[in-house]
Amino acid sequence: GENVEQHPSTLSVQEGDSAVIKCTYSDSASNYFPWYKQELGKRPQLIIDIRSNVGEKKDQRIAVTLNKTAKHFSLHITETQPEDSAVYFCAASNGGRRALTFGSGTRLQVQP
Amino acid sequence: NAGVMQNPRHLVRRRGQEARLRCSPMKGHSHVYWYRQLPEEGLKFMVYLQKENIIDESGMPKERFSAEFPKEGPSILRIQQVVRGDSAAYFCASSPDEDGYTFGSGTRLTVV
Repeated sequence: GENVEQHPSTLSVQEGDSAVIKCTYSDSASNYFPWYKQELGKRPQLIIDIRSNVGEKKDQRIAVTLNKTAKHFSLHITETQPEDSAVYFCAASNGGRRALTFGSGTRLQVQP
Repeated sequence: NAGVMQNPRHLVRRRGQEARLRCSPMKGHSHVYWYRQLPEEGLKFMVYLQKENIIDESGMPKERFSAEFPKEGPSILRIQQVVRGDSAAYFCASSPDEDGYTFGSGTRLTVV
């Protein structure tokens, strides 16, 4: 089955800096890659997603890139703010199967 | 639209009791998924259901766990004879026909 690895496990940046989180996946049939933000004690919230027919997608300060050949995808957050502090999870799925395989999470701390 | 509704938010059970977790999907969503999250870990897929059908239960433990999504009413995740290792947050998600989950707020199960 699918295996998703996520790095780093913790990331501390200064307010205003950029943050990058990287994930690799194993199943070449995976074609849907969402990113979720989870604040302490709350539900995961979808922040951005990308499909395998697209190499990059942006939404304001957040961008995701996908390299299908290398089987890795990354989340980029620019101009970080303290409210960006949370745990971020990447995930992958084969659209036909629908179940998401999640990475182990990255705890992002933005220092004011 | 009330979002994905899960109840109860917190559930305490003694070892050997049954736990019953409920999930009402978003209006218009016909796909329901259950995930388990252990402390400090990512979410692990358990089961994917549509109305009256289990589509994918590859993540469900073979014993003590069952799920249903009846024609009327919420989806139910049932854990019989709970053990301490069942303590976790259980998240339900729903989606329309295409990709893009919305998660509920979760049920935090504590087994004492």
